[in-house]
Amino acid sequence: QSVLTQPPSASGTPGQRVTISCSGSSSNIGSNTVNWYQQLPGTAPKFLIYSNNQRPSGVPDRFSGSKSGTSASLAISGLQSEDEADYYCATWDDSLNGPVFGGGTKLTVL
Amino acid sequence: QVQLQESGPGLVKPSETLSLTCTVSGGSINSFYWSWIRQPPGKGLEWIGYTYYSGSTNYNPSLKSRVTISIDTSKNQFSLKLSSVTAADTAVYFCARISSSRGYGMDVWGQGTTVTVSS
Repeated sequence: QSVLTQPPSASGTPGQRVTISCSGSSSNIGSNTVNWYQQLPGTAPKFLIYSNNQRPSGVPDRFSGSKSGTSASLAISGLQSEDEADYYCATWDDSLNGPVFGGGTKLTVL
Repeated sequence: QVQLQESGPGLVKPSETLSLTCTVSGGSINSFYWSWIRQPPGKGLEWIGYTYYSGSTNYNPSLKSRVTISIDTSKNQFSLKLSSVTAADTAVYFCARISSSRGYGMDVWGQGTTVTVSS
């Protein structure tokens, strides 16, 4: 079981807006910022969102993140076929003094 | 532009030690944390451990008794050793840079290397 909880799957049609949730606890999300990764099939994860809502250069503004309390969410607007991938949330865990991941959400573009 | 590249045997026998190296190019290994993460087939990401450029380390408690991560700043490399491996250690192993200025996110990743544990 992963420390952070994500829904195993999500889906949407092109152009739609989808959100992916990530739930944690006071020792991780509750006291640290959240990062998100996108993993296309057969590739390494890509840094998508950091510090809850910041995008690294090159990441489209269709991707946005937010955090409230011990939960966070990733939103993708104007869904495109190339967004079909696995998405992972992650944060620092104060108990572990290390990073923890969610179990991943497989996004399907219908 | 910083790039990471994992290297090491793709096949390890049960009970032996898995050894991987990550080479950092295009930038200095100093002033960052450097991490190993693995992904078993069809499963999610698991943090293994990290080393700071100073040599201090921290490991996932679930693997701590079997893991050693070391760093060689003169070679711009850091390494992973995982002892007493079993089939459950079969996975794609990634190395990554942790950036404290970016929410302790892993902002640069290697392409990953597949390690199979089998006799």
